[in-house]
Amino acid sequence: QKEVEQNSGPLSVPEGAIASLNCTYSDRVSQSFFWYRQYSGKSPELIMSIYSNGDKEDGRFTAQLNKASQYVSLLIRDSQPSDSATYLCAEGGTDSWGKLQFGAGTQVVVTP
Amino acid sequence: GAVVSQHPSRVICKSGTSVKIECRSLDFQATTMFWYRQFPKQSLMLMATSNEGSKATYEQGVEKDKFLINHASLTLSTLTVTSAHPEDSSFYICSARARGPTNEKLFFGSGTQLSVL
Repeated sequence: QKEVEQNSGPLSVPEGAIASLNCTYSDRVSQSFFWYRQYSGKSPELIMSIYSNGDKEDGRFTAQLNKASQYVSLLIRDSQPSDSATYLCAEGGTDSWGKLQFGAGTQVVVTP
Repeated sequence: GAVVSQHPSRVICKSGTSVKIECRSLDFQATTMFWYRQFPKQSLMLMATSNEGSKATYEQGVEKDKFLINHASLTLSTLTVTSAHPEDSSFYICSARARGPTNEKLFFGSGTQLSVL
């Protein structure tokens, strides 16, 4: 059974600070990883995809992948109240592209 | 950008009735559609994968006779919850796989909140 693990939170972050989210996965052959943001009652929005070891930056977001440790993380710099949401880590299936295994999500609360 | 239209956004029904949820890709062809459900405070759980013109592949523990999936065209997939019961109350979301010239992308519908009384 493939698993994607995340701390459920809530992670409380002061406005302007860095939010650090972690995720581990069990499937050693996984090649694609995604971070989604989900507001309550809404569908997920893609923040970042990462396929290679190392860092990938997009605006205030940086994803980091370490396949040897089966670990993927997301940093949110200069956190804003609008970043308050649940962040879902997902691993892309190897048998069908787009078939995602999601973690339980980490709730982030950015306090003014 | 590409859009997946999902309807209805919210439905309330009586126990024992059937509910149909539609996902339509508006400006691209969705070769594969994934259906998820999400219970409160939990993550998205994949229910099934459907390819256009083929029978859906269901995940372990998902009853195929209860959750009927039809993907008859490249722009429309439907999920029918048959004989719905209160435990089927959940948020149902589709995602569509789109093939582009150089890569593939995934687009989510807006979700359907099903409440069974």
